[in-house]
Amino acid sequence: DAKTTQPPSMDCAEGRAANLPCNHSTISGNEYVYWYRQIHSQGPQYIIHGLKNNETNEMASLIITEDRKSSTLILPHATLRDTAVYYCIVRVARAQKLVFGQGTRLTINP
Amino acid sequence: DTGVSQNPRHKITKRGQNVTFRCDPISEHNRLYWYRQTLGQGPEFLTYFQNEAQLEKSRLLSDRFSAERPKGSFSTLEIQRTEQGDSAMYLCASSWDRGNEKLFFGSGTQLSVL
Repeated sequence: DAKTTQPPSMDCAEGRAANLPCNHSTISGNEYVYWYRQIHSQGPQYIIHGLKNNETNEMASLIITEDRKSSTLILPHATLRDTAVYYCIVRVARAQKLVFGQGTRLTINP
Repeated sequence: DTGVSQNPRHKITKRGQNVTFRCDPISEHNRLYWYRQTLGQGPEFLTYFQNEAQLEKSRLLSDRFSAERPKGSFSTLEIQRTEQGDSAMYLCASSWDRGNEKLFFGSGTQLSVL
């Protein structure tokens, strides 16, 4: 699985959009970009994934650059409950495991 | 969907003792994973089952660790002769091997070895 690079921490004001970047410059053509988050004292939670098109669901939007070397997770209206560690992972579809990095610790401030 | 259940939530043991954790996956999921997480780090993969078959084990899984999934449903992770370095959160996840399979994680078992 390709390696990802994320900033170790970010802050965002409550109600604003949180934009979390991820670099994956060595991504292969058959690798998807997945985002998970982990709220304190809980297991990781799936957010969204995509291959090359932008994706949106009820939790977030995923913007993938045309060359697929980077992506941005967008939480459109961040709330205090979005404070968590966010992990960007690249992975072949139906591969046996997720390989986690250290993620970005996002803090939403009131 | 009752989610992935892990028991116990917390375990305190003395060095040298054996401990066993249990994971009950989402009922229709045929894949089950064990991860370990230490403070400030992302989860580290330990092992993975497809039904009852253990298909991959990490080098992190020393011979003191053993995992089973006897009937392809619940799984147990046993640590023998625990060491202080085994103190961590042990996470279980399950998935269905169709589509782009999302992993669903339990809340973990926090192990403290004194």
